[in-house]
Amino acid sequence: QQQVKQSPQSLIVQKGGISIINCAYENTAFDYFPWYQQFPGKGPALLIAIRPDVSEKKEGRFTISFNKSAKQFSLHIMDSQPGDSATYFCAASMSNQGGKLIFGQGTELSVKP
Amino acid sequence: KAGVTQTPRYLIKTRGQQVTLSCSPISGHRSVSWYQQTPGQGLQFLFEYFSETQRNKGNFPGRFSGRQFSNSRSEMNVSTLELGDSALYLCASKAGAGNEQFFGPGTRLTVL
Repeated sequence: QQQVKQSPQSLIVQKGGISIINCAYENTAFDYFPWYQQFPGKGPALLIAIRPDVSEKKEGRFTISFNKSAKQFSLHIMDSQPGDSATYFCAASMSNQGGKLIFGQGTELSVKP
Repeated sequence: KAGVTQTPRYLIKTRGQQVTLSCSPISGHRSVSWYQQTPGQGLQFLFEYFSETQRNKGNFPGRFSGRQFSNSRSEMNVSTLELGDSALYLCASKAGAGNEQFFGPGTRLTVL
C-alpha cells in the first residue's frame, strides 16, 4: 500500500518530442505528489509538485496530470531537449508523516538530438 | 540561500567499521530527512528529524541511526558496516510546515 509504481523504466525521445512518464499509487492517504530530476553525480532536484485537489499543473515545459479516481499521475515534458536527459522520479507523501517521501523506481530519459 | 550541503562527498570503509555522515540543511529549515539510494532498491527513506527529535523512521535495521543538533544540522551513523550498505546517502531539508524537500548532493559510501 505504501508503493509508488513508475513506468517506463527507460525512455528514448527525439528532440522536440513529448516525454511522458507515469506513476500509480495505492494509498489514498497520499496528499502530495512531487517529481524530481536527477543528473549523474547529483542529488535529486525538485521539478514540480501537485496536490490531489488539482487535476493539472503546468510549469514551463513540465506538466503534471493527476487522476484521483484512477490513482495515477504523470509527468509530461513538452519540446524535450537533450539537456532534459536525466533520471526522473515520482514520489508521494502524507501530510501526517512529515518528510517521508515514497519514491517510484525512476525513469531514465534520453533525448536524442 | 545556500543549498543543502553534505560531507564528506565520498567515503570508503571496510566491513565491520562504522561511519558518520553529516548534513547541513538550508538556512531556516528545521526538518532533515535521510534517504539511501541504490541501483537495486532505488530511493528509500531512512528517517526524519525535526527540532532535534526523530519524527519518522523507515524500515532499516538499528545499525542505522541519526541525530539532529540545535542548529538543525544532522548526522547519520551506520555501525558494523556490511557490503550491502554501499550506496549514495542523501539528505533533504524542508521548512517545518511545507512539503517541498530539497536534496543535497549526497555522500557516496563504498564498503569493501
